Amino acid sequence: AQSVTQPDIHITVSEGASLELRCNYSYGATPYLFWYVQSPGQGLQLLLKYFSGDTLVQGIKGFEAEFKRSQSSFNLRKPSVHWSDAAEYFCAVGGMEYGNKLVFGAGTILRVKS
Amino acid sequence: DTGVSQNPRHKITKRGQNVTFRCDPISEHNRLYWYRQTLGQGPEFLTYFQNEAQLEKSRLLSDRFSAERPKGSFSTLEIQRTEQGDSAMYLCASSWPRDSENPGNTIYFGEGSWLTVV
Repeated sequence: AQSVTQPDIHITVSEGASLELRCNYSYGATPYLFWYVQSPGQGLQLLLKYFSGDTLVQGIKGFEAEFKRSQSSFNLRKPSVHWSDAAEYFCAVGGMEYGNKLVFGAGTILRVKS
Repeated sequence: DTGVSQNPRHKITKRGQNVTFRCDPISEHNRLYWYRQTLGQGPEFLTYFQNEAQLEKSRLLSDRFSAERPKGSFSTLEIQRTEQGDSAMYLCASSWPRDSENPGNTIYFGEGSWLTVV
């Protein structure tokens, strides 16, 4: 089945601590991978994307993600979390087998404690 | 560059009524998408337009749902005879054509339209 799994529903980190949000995908060919962030009651903002090339991609707000084909993963990281990073984060996958749409995971809610 | 614009942002309606949402995509984008998001879930694809042509519809899009993009610019999503299960956020998104610079079809979302059916 073609799907995206975000194993952690909630994650709580202290402000200033490092963060890693997990994403695993199931896809036959090379996927196109995305991370979006959503603040409460708002739409989704693109953080970063991976199409090809360097497997470590940089995004906005100090986020980065690493594509690991052997693990079918695209984990999102940030070295030092700020209180304003509290939000819900969605991993998404696209590609020729998905046609023209992106398929999203269920999301991970990030809480930041001071 | 103005983003994707959706209105109304919030709509409360009684069961059985019809509702319509409007989406204005980023001006140079020819692709437009509707997604639905319920609490605790990621966005789910509903339908997709390239210019004025509706090229793909999800099984989630029942007969009570209709989407149009008459001139290839703005789009409307109408829900007829609303049911409580239709309560959700309806997200519109847009993108450039898939090409060598956008092979992965990056899409950009609006702020969403919340629907509550009572």
